[in-house]
Amino acid sequence: DQQVKQNSPSLSVQEGRISILNCDYTNSMFDYFLWYKKYPAEGPTFLISISSIKDKNEDGRFTVFLNKSAKHLSLHIVPSQPGDSAVYFCAASRGDYGGSQGNLIFGKGTKLSVKP
Amino acid sequence: EPEVTQTPSHQVTQMGQEVILRCVPISNHLYFYWYRQILGQKVEFLVSFYNNEISEKSEIFDDQFSVERPDGSNFTLKIRSTKLEDSAMYFCASKGRTGTYEQYFGPGTRLTVT
Repeated sequence: DQQVKQNSPSLSVQEGRISILNCDYTNSMFDYFLWYKKYPAEGPTFLISISSIKDKNEDGRFTVFLNKSAKHLSLHIVPSQPGDSAVYFCAASRGDYGGSQGNLIFGKGTKLSVKP
Repeated sequence: EPEVTQTPSHQVTQMGQEVILRCVPISNHLYFYWYRQILGQKVEFLVSFYNNEISEKSEIFDDQFSVERPDGSNFTLKIRSTKLEDSAMYFCASKGRTGTYEQYFGPGTRLTVT
């Protein structure tokens, strides 16, 4: 039961160009979405998030777009840098209500490689 | 910057043995979580803990698993009788107050069951 899907297992981008990572979800109860970055042998690191009442959130080089009607979100990294090479996980939450305590449902991740 | 810490970084155990994985969440956080990631698979929720009790658990979190917050700082995950399929990275995470969403993860404990 894949409630959060990242259909591209990998993405390769040239340094300086835009990286676009995509995520789809099926559960309409999700009200918050997060992106995490993970290096090998480390824990996921929080990157950026977006509430379901917004359609865009920007933080420096990172922008997340949410299309609620399509149940789709994307993470844009501009410009991409070699240090951005990592696995990116999309995660969704139902918040602290209705029996949920905000646990995160993760996608399978997309491995981003940024080539110099 | 405050961070979540986990010990040990790697634990090797024999099938049937008990293991305890330890975590120190960020000090003023109120919500605590355990997740695991089997090699090559996605990060999966195990259990959440709030106000000194389990608030939600997944179907993975069966009777072999338990969590405890024995003092004001540590948060532990115990597996009573490990199985080969328990081999995974186990991540502890914590979150601030109600209404926030961002969880902060520790570096993980790699559990290898032989």
